[in-house]
Amino acid sequence: GEDVEQSLFLSVREGDSSVINCTYTDSSSTYLYWYKQEPGAGLQLLTYIFSNMDMKQDQRLTVLLNKKDKHLSLRIADTQTGDSAIYFCAEKRGTNAGKSTFGDGTTLTVKP
Amino acid sequence: DAGITQSPRYKITETGRQVTLMCHQTWSHSYMFWYRQDLGHGLRLIYYSAAADITDKGEVPDGYVVSRSKTENFPLTLESATRSQTSVYFCASSRQGTDTQYFGPGTRLTVL
Repeated sequence: GEDVEQSLFLSVREGDSSVINCTYTDSSSTYLYWYKQEPGAGLQLLTYIFSNMDMKQDQRLTVLLNKKDKHLSLRIADTQTGDSAIYFCAEKRGTNAGKSTFGDGTTLTVKP
Repeated sequence: DAGITQSPRYKITETGRQVTLMCHQTWSHSYMFWYRQDLGHGLRLIYYSAAADITDKGEVPDGYVVSRSKTENFPLTLESATRSQTSVYFCASSRQGTDTQYFGPGTRLTVL
């Protein structure tokens, strides 16, 4: 079955890089997403990557995909206190009628 | 541009009562989704809809009913609320099944 796993917590100092990791089991995943959830708010799409790519960069965000190991990571450069939030990894197959499977989320704490 | 809204934002009810959570989107997106978010479980799909009058079960549909008479609305009804349905409920929509999902702000439901 489909499964997406993430570590639950990550703590970094302001200005350092953060790396949030995710593994998934469905080899037919075609889309992989990173969402950010701030306290009391809904999920906000940060970035996504197609399964035929191995890297995507968007300003401070870098997504790396290792399709062979089914491993996805999100690197946040120069992490700021405003980056403190829960980050969700999600995968979707192109043929599964729109359903996504989400990880349980990684709580990122940025210390000043 | 209102986007996707949910109401109410907070709701307290009692066991056995019927509760309806509303979701409205202004983008004319075809797909709409309902998730619940609980500690330790991440996001779990309750129901989704590919178009008006088309709905399908997700991972945890028991105890919930949905309808989609209009493209822009996707209400979720708890026919007889139970304490285990205390959760934060998120509605989402996407233009097509393979597109990114956009999330509402969530409804925090407490069942006493």
